[in-house]
Amino acid sequence: DAGVIQSPRHEVTEMGQEVTLRCKPISGHNSLFWYRQTMMRGLELLIYFNNNVPIDDSGMPEDRFSAKMPNASFSTLKIQPSEPRDSAVYFCASSSGLLSEKLLFGSGTQLSVL
Amino acid sequence: AQSVAQPEDQVNVAEGNPLTVKCTYSVSGNPYLFWYVQYPNRGLQFLLKYITGDNLVKGSYGFEAEFNKSQTSFHLKKPSALVSDSALYFCAVRDMMGNTDKLIFGTGTRLQVFP
Repeated sequence: DAGVIQSPRHEVTEMGQEVTLRCKPISGHNSLFWYRQTMMRGLELLIYFNNNVPIDDSGMPEDRFSAKMPNASFSTLKIQPSEPRDSAVYFCASSSGLLSEKLLFGSGTQLSVL
Repeated sequence: AQSVAQPEDQVNVAEGNPLTVKCTYSVSGNPYLFWYVQYPNRGLQFLLKYITGDNLVKGSYGFEAEFNKSQTSFHLKKPSALVSDSALYFCAVRDMMGNTDKLIFGTGTRLQVFP
């Protein structure tokens, strides 16, 4: 298995533009998590899915952020419109079953909003 | 709410010396604790976990962690540090309050091992 795959690795965009981040979890994993990492706030959980259903989106900063998981092998995190304060590294992670199993992270998407 | 605290932003140690990266926790009920490591430009990687049982947990790359209930701590240790251990280390706690099941991470500690 190639691991959790995120795309793009880097994204540079201008304020006001729509940004879509993509994630392919490990095959067979039924939980998927989106995290955001910044120097100021560290690693924050934005939202997570279990069996493609959003379970906890309390970490989503505001309505500009939305996430979907249309099937077990794909998820997107969308920011519309983007703002400079959204600049961060966004990580996707997946796990099988309960979190007593380890989370496996993708390599992240470095987002820069100018 | 479940939480972990990492009191040190950075830890410096000479190669060959023992290292400790500190973590304290605050949980309701039994704690499920984890350590993850992040190398530059990479995602986090699982190191080890404590669920129950022996207070000394052994993990990847020669790391171990000691669970101390009375001090509510879960410090990461290694007897002899390597330069290649230099990375960002995160402590995490499992949050199962309500219908949620997720990991809450600490702020991270940067470990710098000098040759």
